Amino acid sequence: SYELTQPPSVSVSPGQTASITCSGDKLGNKYTYWYQQKPGQSPVLVIYQDTKRPSGIPERFSGSNSGNTATLTISGTQAMDEADYYCQAWDSSTVVFGGGTKLTVL
Amino acid sequence: QVQLVQSGAEVKKPGASVKVSCKASGYTFTAYYMHWVRQAPGQGLEWMGWINPNSGDTNYAQEFQGRVTMTRDTSISTVYMELSRLRSDDTAVYYCARAAQMSSGPVVVYYYGLDVWGQGTTVTVSS
Repeated sequence: SYELTQPPSVSVSPGQTASITCSGDKLGNKYTYWYQQKPGQSPVLVIYQDTKRPSGIPERFSGSNSGNTATLTISGTQAMDEADYYCQAWDSSTVVFGGGTKLTVL
Repeated sequence: QVQLVQSGAEVKKPGASVKVSCKASGYTFTAYYMHWVRQAPGQGLEWMGWINPNSGDTNYAQEFQGRVTMTRDTSISTVYMELSRLRSDDTAVYYCARAAQMSSGPVVVYYYGLDVWGQGTTVTVSS
């Protein structure tokens, strides 16, 4: 089965740029989606189709996807961005999620 | 406003079944697919499948084939997810989530992500 691999944790200082990676075989040939989940809350879609931001998502969130790796980038990271982030892709007819990355802003 | 409201928490014994509902409002119910995703305590997201509320077509994750049934009632804009033969490792928060999507059978033609989520339903399986 297809697997998406994320680092368990990433740390960033406020105001700096955070990069969260998601790796999978030929992932660049698929669209990647990113979700933010804060403790006790439902996930929120922050990036769809690799690079697009849904309405209401701040411009500091951006995405890229090439080769075997997709990346979620948060520019000028704020304390409110501290959360778990999950990547997602389709493998044939199946939705696959990455294991999630805990972003700590310190 | 667009909203998905799920049914309340459930406590079930091993071997029983649970049926979770998800009521949609604020948009055309039949225009969006509905997915179900679960999250065990302290764990990541796990996809269970989707239903097309317009046609009733479904596509289930292999892990749940034979145990999960997704249905809909268009008259009340509600989808349901029933999971049978519950085990302790089915203890999780279950989410419904909407997707702008078109599929031809199980093949995805277009998909724009899970853009609206329900508040989650906690299902606890314990003897």
